[in-house]
Amino acid sequence: AQSVTQLDSHVSVSEGTPVLLRCNYSSSYSPSLFWYVQHPNKGLQLLLKYTSAATLVKGINGFEAEFKKSETSFHLTKPSAHMSDAAEYFCVVSEGGGSTLGRLYFGRGTQLTVWP
Amino acid sequence: GAGVSQSPSNKVTEKGKDVELRCDPISGHTALYWYRQSLGQGLEFLIYFQGNSAPDKSGLPSDRFSAERTGGSVSTLTIQRTQQEDSAVYLCASSLVGRDRGIVYGYTFGSGTRLTVV
Repeated sequence: AQSVTQLDSHVSVSEGTPVLLRCNYSSSYSPSLFWYVQHPNKGLQLLLKYTSAATLVKGINGFEAEFKKSETSFHLTKPSAHMSDAAEYFCVVSEGGGSTLGRLYFGRGTQLTVWP
Repeated sequence: GAGVSQSPSNKVTEKGKDVELRCDPISGHTALYWYRQSLGQGLEFLIYFQGNSAPDKSGLPSDRFSAERTGGSVSTLTIQRTQQEDSAVYLCASSLVGRDRGIVYGYTFGSGTRLTVV
C-alpha cells in the first residue's frame, strides 16, 4: 500500500531561521518522491524530485530534501527562511511499478508561516 | 504549449446544470491526472489516465462525474447535475511515465478551473 504522511499540518518559523517540513511515506516499489509548493491562489509548482539518483536533492529557492530509505522519509529543508516561502507544501509519492505505476499520492499538506 | 492548459479558469454555474472542464496536457505526456482542491482541504484524487491503459476512476466521488481523454491528449472532466459541494478548484496534471520504471519527471500542474456552484 502507498501512503504519504506529512507530520505537521502547520509550521511557523522566523525569517532567517531554518525550515524543516517532515514527510514519511510507504511504497511497494521503488518510488519517485516530490515536493510541490502552492502559494495562495496559485497553482502547484514543483520544488524538487527524487528519482533514485543522489539521495540529497536540491531544488529551487534554496530548498533541499534527503531521501532516507531506512527511515522511509523525505524531509524538506531550507537553511534560512524567507518571507516569500510562506505557502503550502505537499509531499508526493509516485509508485515505481505494479498496477499503480505512475499514480501520485499526496500528503495532506503543511502550511508554512514565516514571521518577520 | 509549454505547460498544462486548463479552461475555463473560472466557472460559475447554477445548481443542477452540467459543466465541462477541459485540460490540454503537455504534448507527448502519457499520464494525465484530475484532482480537486476544496477550500481548506487537501488534494483529492479524481481520475488517472496512463497511455492506452484503462483509466483509474477510483477517485470519482459519484456517478455524476466522468472524464475522457481523446486521442491520448486532451481530457474533459464532466460534472452532471452540479451540487454546491462540487465547488472547488479542479486541477489537471500531466507527465511522462517510463515503461520500465516509474516516474522520472515531475508532474506539471495546470492553473486549475475554479468551479462555483450557486
